[in-house]
Amino acid sequence: DGGITQSPKYLFRKEGQNVTLSCEQNLNHDAMYWYRQDPGQGLRLIYYSQIVNDFQKGDIAEGYSVSREKKESFPLTVTSAQKNPTAFYLCASSSTSGVGTFGSGTRLTVV
Amino acid sequence: AQSVTQLDSQVPVFEEAPVELRCNYSSSVSVYLFWYVQYPNQGLQLLLKYLSGSTLVESINGFEAEFNKSQTSFHLRKPSVHISDTAEYFCAVSGDTGFQKLVFGTGTRLLVSP
Repeated sequence: DGGITQSPKYLFRKEGQNVTLSCEQNLNHDAMYWYRQDPGQGLRLIYYSQIVNDFQKGDIAEGYSVSREKKESFPLTVTSAQKNPTAFYLCASSSTSGVGTFGSGTRLTVV
Repeated sequence: AQSVTQLDSQVPVFEEAPVELRCNYSSSVSVYLFWYVQYPNQGLQLLLKYLSGSTLVESINGFEAEFNKSQTSFHLRKPSVHISDTAEYFCAVSGDTGFQKLVFGTGTRLLVSP
C-alpha cells in the first residue's frame, strides 16, 4: 500500500543534541512538507519541498534543517538552536496543490 | 496569502445529536478547502475537500460541508454524531493555482458523550 512512513514514533532528545526525524513516501508525490503541532496552535509549516534538491522555509524554520536528495525522502533535523523542540511533528506529501497525505507523526520530547 | 479561523476550540455534543463545526477563511485568490480529522497520537486524515463544482461536499461517514463564497465559510456538519466521531477536526485552505501550501486553522475538538 502507498503511504508515508515517519520514524521513530517517539523520540527523546537531550539538551544541546541534534536529532533527525525520518519521512519516506512511496506515493510518487513531488511535494513534501514538515509541520509542527502544538496544543491549541494547529499545524505550523516548518519546511517544504516541491522538487528534489530544492526546499523552502515555512513559517517557523528557525532551528530546523532539511534535505531532499531523493524524491521519496525528506528528513528533518531539529538542531540545538531550536529553543523549544518538544512537539508533535507531521510529515505530508502531495502531487497537486493542497491535497496532502499525512504520516502518523513523531512525538519529540526534550529530556 | 490565506488564513483560516476556527472559532470553537471545543464542541461538546451528545451522541445522535447534530453538530456543526465552523470554519471561516480569508484569501485574495480563489481557494481549495479541506477538512481533516485527527485521532489521538495519529496523523491527519482527509475527511472531505472542495476543489470545484458543487458547493456541497460529502464524506463517506456522513459528514458534509458547504462552500459559501459570499460568507467565506466552509462549515462542517453531521446530522447525527457517534461516539467514534470524537476527534480533532482541522479546516485548511490553499490557493487554487500552481503550487500552493495548505494553511490550517487551530482545530476544533469534538467531544461526543453518551
